[in-house]
Amino acid sequence: NAGVTQTPKFQVLKTGQSMTLQCAQDMNHEYMSWYRQDPGMGLRLIHYSVGAGITDQGEVPNGYNVSRSTTEDFPLRLLSAAPSQTSVYFCASSYGRTSGNTIYFGEGSWLTVV
Amino acid sequence: GESVGLHLPTLSVQEGDNSIINCAYSNSASDYFIWYKQESGKGPQFIIDIRSNMDKRQGQRVTVLLNKTVKHLSLQIAATQPGDSAVYFCADLSPPGGYQKVTFGIGTKLQVIP
Repeated sequence: NAGVTQTPKFQVLKTGQSMTLQCAQDMNHEYMSWYRQDPGMGLRLIHYSVGAGITDQGEVPNGYNVSRSTTEDFPLRLLSAAPSQTSVYFCASSYGRTSGNTIYFGEGSWLTVV
Repeated sequence: GESVGLHLPTLSVQEGDNSIINCAYSNSASDYFIWYKQESGKGPQFIIDIRSNMDKRQGQRVTVLLNKTVKHLSLQIAATQPGDSAVYFCADLSPPGGYQKVTFGIGTKLQVIP
């Protein structure tokens, strides 16, 4: 049981480039989400999904797209990378999206935009 | 909006001593909380959870106390070890409207002095 798997672990992008951060979970979780973590700040929600085919915006969605074609996968796309998107990104999942369900996190993807 | 915050940003503890990390919450209706441990370069890892029908829950060397009267949680680590050095944060996993409303504080950094 791998849990929540993110790739790549590290990535350096040039301003204007696009890329996709991959996230997969093997726990049959309904709820998946992407967070970014910046120094001195807590985790901030970018996008989330409550099931296959359903996505919605979180607190800081600008510059990012997501899709949820399967229950297992929830990729995060950076459309045109900007230095402000330099951050650590965490994918997370949960069996349900209401009280009583543990949120599990991936190991993170460190992104630098130059 | 609802929030979860921490009293101490950094805590230094001698190896072998007990550590206590505090967390306040603001939603009096909250009924499920989780403590996470985040080591440098890794994702947040579940440590222990507690529901509002409990005042105390114990794990291996860790104890979480919940005081609903003052809306306060604490994480106690017994016989702190160097491997306990990390950032710890709590989360209220019972926000109205679903997990997209979960907020994570910046955490408390625990430094274990050998």
